Amino acid sequence: KAGVTQTPRYLIKTRGQQVTLSCSPISGHRSVSWYQQTPGQGLQFLFEYFSETQRNKGNFPGRFSGRQFSNSRSEMNVSTLELGDSALYLCASSLNTGTDTQYFGPGTRLTVL
Amino acid sequence: EDKVVQSPLSLVVHEGDTVTLNCSYEVTNFRSLLWYKQEKKAPTFLFMLTSSGIEKKSGRLSSILDKKELSSILNITATQTGDSAIYLCAVRNTGTASKLTFGTGTRLQVTL
Repeated sequence: KAGVTQTPRYLIKTRGQQVTLSCSPISGHRSVSWYQQTPGQGLQFLFEYFSETQRNKGNFPGRFSGRQFSNSRSEMNVSTLELGDSALYLCASSLNTGTDTQYFGPGTRLTVL
Repeated sequence: EDKVVQSPLSLVVHEGDTVTLNCSYEVTNFRSLLWYKQEKKAPTFLFMLTSSGIEKKSGRLSSILDKKELSSILNITATQTGDSAIYLCAVRNTGTASKLTFGTGTRLQVTL
């Protein structure tokens, strides 16, 4: 069974631009969660999507948004990029919303110059 | 706000040593505690502990949940260089707004 895949793996953008990251969950998994990981803050929860609906949201500004498609694939968008958005963005999938165990993808390393 | 604190922040040991990593938490309506290992990029799942399963073991790794002390430990015996990684602890709350809250991790380095 294929694991969680994320594209692209690396991305370099400049301040003010926007970016879209993609996540394909494990086959059969319907919940996708997104996290931002930085050296100082660790893994911070961005949001969770289940059945194309956002179920939960972390404490991030509205520049961070996401969506989920009918095949459970999810995208995350960050608009008006800031230097502080440089981070590893991880997505994790689970069978259902609220399922304890989440399986992580390899992440997208975003660098904002 | 839910909070997870891990200690130590980093640790260097020699191959063959036994290590204990700590995780303490403050969470409203605790449901479960999870341990992950992160080597390069993707954290990989190690254990999940709940009120009905407070002790888990897999090979040289074991973990215990202390619900009274709101904490957990992860033990690694006979460490190997392949155990070098960041170990992450996360807790999940119950309810419709259930989510995982992660600690900042413990960086373990095992040297020869």
